[in-house]
Amino acid sequence: SAVISQKPSRDICQRGTSLTIQCQVDSQVTMMFWYRQQPGQSLTLIATANQGSEATYESGFVIDKFPISRPNLTFSTLTVSNMSPEDSSIYLCSVRQGDTEAFFGQGTRLTVV
Amino acid sequence: GIQVEQSPPDLILQEGANSTLRCNFSDSVNNLQWFHQNPWGQLINLFYIPSGTKQNGRLSATTVATERYSLLYISSSQTTDSGVYFCAVGSGSYQLTFGKGTKLSVIP
Repeated sequence: SAVISQKPSRDICQRGTSLTIQCQVDSQVTMMFWYRQQPGQSLTLIATANQGSEATYESGFVIDKFPISRPNLTFSTLTVSNMSPEDSSIYLCSVRQGDTEAFFGQGTRLTVV
Repeated sequence: GIQVEQSPPDLILQEGANSTLRCNFSDSVNNLQWFHQNPWGQLINLFYIPSGTKQNGRLSATTVATERYSLLYISSSQTTDSGVYFCAVGSGSYQLTFGKGTKLSVIP
């Protein structure tokens, strides 16, 4: 299993600002994923973050809005840029070591006012 | 991409009752997981079960990969079982595709 620490756990932000979410894993992992969960909805994959290469974004998500860093095998950040109320969601990071069980951080509950 | 359907979307149970949640998927999968999302938004891993049957206390799960479905059984439900249960599958790539979830409410 993997222990994932995600920070902050929640935040309230002004529209037009940016928030960076951090995800720290207790072991080295090849693949890290960022998901968004809009209110009352299921989880949607934003991007896959691989160390040493650019993140791969899913349809509907762009790097300018959701820049991702992956400086090493245990850490990643997701930035939500130029926020609007529509960005109010829970953001979760996830890790998976190959074709095995996926684990999730505790999530960041973001409210944009 | 692969489609995941969960049923029922909502379920209300009296404490102590049993329930079965279903997950249907549209294609072959090499990963299937069940999660419980608590009221604080945290996803709790329940089962990693691409095939076969597993049990953990009052919970058990069965995946019949050839027929493309999985079942989650909850016995003797408790109020702490309330929340949303998600089924998520993986096929080929390492990302997971989530169903829309079953919202379970257990009342005393």
